[in-house]
Amino acid sequence: EDQVTQSPEALRLQEGESSSLNCSYTVSGLRGLFWYRQDPGKGPEFLFTLYSAGEEKEKERLKATLTKKESFLHITAPKPEDSATYLCAVQAATSYDKVIFGPGTSLSVIP
Amino acid sequence: DAGVTQSPTHLIKTRGQQVTLRCSPKSGHDTVSWYQQALGQGPQFIFQYYEEEERQRGNFPDRFSGHQFPNYSSELNVNALLLGDSALYLCASSLKGGSPLHFGNGTRLTVT
Repeated sequence: EDQVTQSPEALRLQEGESSSLNCSYTVSGLRGLFWYRQDPGKGPEFLFTLYSAGEEKEKERLKATLTKKESFLHITAPKPEDSATYLCAVQAATSYDKVIFGPGTSLSVIP
Repeated sequence: DAGVTQSPTHLIKTRGQQVTLRCSPKSGHDTVSWYQQALGQGPQFIFQYYEEEERQRGNFPDRFSGHQFPNYSSELNVNALLLGDSALYLCASSLKGGSPLHFGNGTRLTVT
C-alpha cells in the first residue's frame, strides 16, 4: 500500500537557523513527489514536483531533494513568514492521478 | 486567472443530516479531486472525477458521493452525517496526466 510519513511532527527554529524536513515514502512506482505549504485555515499551496532520484528544486529559501526512498525539504536562514505546515505527497505510476499525502510537519520560526 | 473556488466556506450541520459542497476548478483544468482533512492531519483522498465519472476512490463509505458537471465543476455529497465527519473538505483540480494539484481554501464542516 502506498504510504507517506514525515518527520519531525513539529519543528521550532530561531530566525536564521537552517534545518531540514524529512519525507519517507513507499509507493509502487513513483510518478511524482510533491511538496506543499499550508497556512492555517487555507488550502495547501504547491511548492515543488520531483520526478526522479537525484533531482533538486529550489525556490527562495527552500530546496527540495529526492532519493529512492526519501525526500528532504531544506530551509536555509528561515524567516517568521516561513512558519506553516509543510506537506509531502506522492503519486504512484499505477494510480491514475491519485495523490497520497503525509501528515505534515508544522514549522514555527521564532523572531 | 481564477483559482479553485469552494462554497460555502463554513457549514454547521446536525448529525443525520445531509450536506452538499461545491467546487469550481482552476481555469483550464479538467480533473477534480476531493480530500478530507481532520485537524492536525494530512489531507485524506476521498475520490476523483474526470469526464463526469468517478475515476478513483479512497477508503470512504458510500455515504460520500460526488458529481462532476460538463463545465468540470463538482459537488461532494455526504449523507447521514456523523460527528466524525467534522473536518476541512478540500477540492483540488488538475489536468489529466498528473499535473500538480491546485487546491481551494476548503469548506469547514462542523457536525453537532
